[in-house]
Amino acid sequence: AQTVTQSQPEMSVQEAETVTLSCTYDTSESDYYLFWYKQPPSRQMILVIRQEAYKQQNATENRFSVNFQKAAKSFSLKISDSQLGDAAMYFCAYRSNTGKLIFGQGTTLQVKP
Amino acid sequence: DAGVIQSPRHEVTEMGQEVTLRCKPISGHNSLFWYRQTMMRGLELLIYFNNNVPIDDSGMPEDRFSAKMPNASFSTLKIQPSEPRDSAVYFCASSFESDTEAFFGQGTRLTVV
Repeated sequence: AQTVTQSQPEMSVQEAETVTLSCTYDTSESDYYLFWYKQPPSRQMILVIRQEAYKQQNATENRFSVNFQKAAKSFSLKISDSQLGDAAMYFCAYRSNTGKLIFGQGTTLQVKP
Repeated sequence: DAGVIQSPRHEVTEMGQEVTLRCKPISGHNSLFWYRQTMMRGLELLIYFNNNVPIDDSGMPEDRFSAKMPNASFSTLKIQPSEPRDSAVYFCASSFESDTEAFFGQGTRLTVV
């Protein structure tokens, strides 16, 4: 069975600085999809970025980028130029080729002004 | 589209009562997920449907929980009888195909007293 692990329950970053959130996963599949979701206090789940496992190039969305290391089964999220609005809980997610979607435990990000 | 619609937004019930949570997925989506979010356990996948058929219900905690998807536009999650430890936020999510991100509803906050 696949698992997703986020080892950092909480992280903090100074406004305008860069922070990296860690995620590792375990799977025997070769084709799958990885996601980072953001959950602000409103509790709405918002997609931040996605990565297809067959693509070697790391995904980027504006200030958000990932470091995808398939062999190491690692999928970290880098947030550049952090803003106060980035404060939220961030979830790493794995979607198998059967469609099942599972999440890590989440990392709470605090942004200090 | 209005997005994934869950009802009710909040539910307070007494222990032993039956609780039914409802979800309307995004039109055209063929995958539907039910999740439970708690501080202790994070975001747990309870059950996953594809084309209205339950594919994986290994996350359903016990026989008190049941889920149905009678058609492509409606799903229910029922807890009977409810217990205080069932208190959590329950999310429904849907997606079009197995390789795309899931879109989440606003969640139902369930409190069992």
